[in-house]
Amino acid sequence: DAKTTQPPSMDCAEGRAANLPCNHSTISGNEYVYWYRQIHSQGPQYIIHGLKNNETNEMASLIITEDRKSSTLILPHATLRDTAVYYCIVRVGNAGNMLTFGGGTRLMVKP
Amino acid sequence: KAGVTQTPRYLIKTRGQQVTLSCSPISGHRSVSWYQQTPGQGLQFLFEYFSETQRNKGNFPGRFSGRQFSNSRSEMNVSTLELGDSALYLCASSLVGLGSTGELFFGEGSRLTVL
Repeated sequence: DAKTTQPPSMDCAEGRAANLPCNHSTISGNEYVYWYRQIHSQGPQYIIHGLKNNETNEMASLIITEDRKSSTLILPHATLRDTAVYYCIVRVGNAGNMLTFGGGTRLMVKP
Repeated sequence: KAGVTQTPRYLIKTRGQQVTLSCSPISGHRSVSWYQQTPGQGLQFLFEYFSETQRNKGNFPGRFSGRQFSNSRSEMNVSTLELGDSALYLCASSLVGLGSTGELFFGEGSRLTVL
């Protein structure tokens, strides 16, 4: 799986958009970008994933650059409950459950 | 439908003992994997089972083992416990094959403390 780089921490004001970047410059053509988050002491939660097109679901939007070397997870209206560690993972889709988690980004949403 | 269920949620053991943790995947999910999370090492992959066979294994000593039953439920065992085995152990399940998008569903974890 390709290596990813994320900032260790970010702050965001409640109600504002949180934009979490991820660099994956060595991504291969068949690798997807997945985002998970982990709220304190809970199991990680799947958020969204994409291959090359931008994706949106009820939780977030995923913007992938045209060269696929980086992506941004967008939480459009962050709430205090979005405070968590966000992990960006790049892997071949449907290739088993062996995920490589990096350090992630600790997002703090402040009132 | 019910999520991934892990038992027990919390347990305390002493060095040298052994422990067995259990995981019930989401109904219909045949792939189960285990992860260890510690403050120092973060989330690390232990092993993955599919159709009762170990499909992948992480870089952990042989004291860590697992198995999967015909109903897809899985157990992991740690023998001769060491202080460093204190961690949150997470189980994840997923669909495999047609219809799968590769997303994992995690349980709430079993928090092991070794004294």
